Amino acid sequence: GAVVSQHPSRVICKSGTSVKIECRSLDFQATTMFWYRQFPKKSLMLMATSNEGSKATYEQGVEKDKFLINHASLTLSTLTVTSAHPEDSSFYICSATQVTNQPQHFGDGTRLSIL
Amino acid sequence: AQSVTQLDSHVSVSEGTPVLLRCNYSSSYSPSLFWYVQHPNKGLQLLLKYTSAATLVKGINGFEAEFKKSETSFHLTKPSAHMSDAAEYFCVVSLNFGNEKLTFGTGTRLTIIP
Repeated sequence: GAVVSQHPSRVICKSGTSVKIECRSLDFQATTMFWYRQFPKKSLMLMATSNEGSKATYEQGVEKDKFLINHASLTLSTLTVTSAHPEDSSFYICSATQVTNQPQHFGDGTRLSIL
Repeated sequence: AQSVTQLDSHVSVSEGTPVLLRCNYSSSYSPSLFWYVQHPNKGLQLLLKYTSAATLVKGINGFEAEFKKSETSFHLTKPSAHMSDAAEYFCVVSLNFGNEKLTFGTGTRLTIIP
C-alpha cells in the first residue's frame, strides 16, 4: 500500500517551454503533498507544500511564478515548471501523506533536462 | 529548529560484513526520526522510523536503528551487507510523525565490495 506515482519519469525539452509533472497517490487520499528538488549528489531540498484545495506554501527562495503547484484533488498534485531554462534541470521528487500519523511516501522522481 | 548530521558521506563495506551509517540529530522537541534509501534515479523508500515508541527500531531488508537520546544519535545498522544494499541513505528528522516538513541529512553513499 501507500504507492505514489510520478509522471513522467524523464523529460527533455527546449529552453523556454513549460513542463508539467504529475504526482498521484494511487491507494490513499493525500491531504498533503510535497515537492522536492535534488541536485546531483546532493540531498533533497523542499520546494513547496501543497494541501488539497489550498494554495501551495513555498519555501524561501523558491519562485512561485516559476514553479506552479496545483493540488486540485486528494490524489493528484501537479508541478509546472514555466518557461524552463537549463538551470532548472534537476531531479524533482514528490511525496504524499495522509493526515494521520503516517510518514511521507515518495514518488520515483522526474529527471528534467532543459536543452 | 531541528537538524540532522550524517557523519560519513561515503561508506564502503565488503559483502557479508556489518553496515554502520551514522546520524546525529538536533531538535528542540521530541523528534520523529527516519531512514530513507534512494537507489539511482529513484525516489526514496522508507527503511524505518522512530516516533517515541521503542528505541530499537527494526526496518525492512534487515536494517535497524537505535535512538539514543543521551547521544542524540540514530545510527543505522545491518549485520550483513548485501550487494543490493548499495544506494544513498538519508537520515531525516521531523517534528510530527513525518507528515509535515522533513529535514534531510546530506546523505551517505553506501558501496558494497564483492
